[in-house]
Amino acid sequence: ETGVTQTPRHLVMGMTNKKSLKCEQHLGHNAMYWYKQSAKKPLELMFVYSLEERVENNSVPSRFSPECPNSSHLFLHLHTLQPEDSALYLCASSQGGQVQETQYFGPGTRLLVL
Amino acid sequence: SQKIEQNSEALNIQEGKTATLTCNYTNYSPAYLQWYRQDPGRGPVFLLLIRENEKEKRKERLKVTFDTTLKQSLFHITASQPADSATYLCALVTDSNYQLIWGAGTKLIIKP
Repeated sequence: ETGVTQTPRHLVMGMTNKKSLKCEQHLGHNAMYWYKQSAKKPLELMFVYSLEERVENNSVPSRFSPECPNSSHLFLHLHTLQPEDSALYLCASSQGGQVQETQYFGPGTRLLVL
Repeated sequence: SQKIEQNSEALNIQEGKTATLTCNYTNYSPAYLQWYRQDPGRGPVFLLLIRENEKEKRKERLKVTFDTTLKQSLFHITASQPADSATYLCALVTDSNYQLIWGAGTKLIIKP
């Protein structure tokens, strides 16, 4: 995939570990997003970055820490996670900085917290 | 409460028939609605967008309708094929604060 890439694709971590998810978009977009997707539940928007500035943070626990060093890269730093944080974490980008725009998603990172 | 509802049970359709998926919403004033397709182990892929003042939108074998009176959007796939099997998500954009609200998706299975 050349649009939006995510690494790693799968991650297993203990509750005391620290890990980071990486996302890169090759579309020249100005906004990037982190979503959480749990089985049979709607996508949950976690963070929005527009032109490298965080514009939205939907009451996400502090054990999730985003970082956007430039408009093409987005990270999600994880520490002391809980088993209920196990889910598919999706990165997305859009042309401008508006969350209502068409979203282009990466393949996701399947996270399992033990 | 405000929510988007999609059938949580999988929809099984015979190949060649028309598949129809439903997206219902309550307590929202929509600006427009988007439909996405998601395959296992992949992220959602945008398919179609329909605005609140549009009744119908088509793209090849896909058709979306939007009835703001019924508060419902229907997503149709004509001449369905096994390759159309996937989970289909609807996402509504409100006209007030442009919030993006996602449905949980409906799994579509096209049987040969």
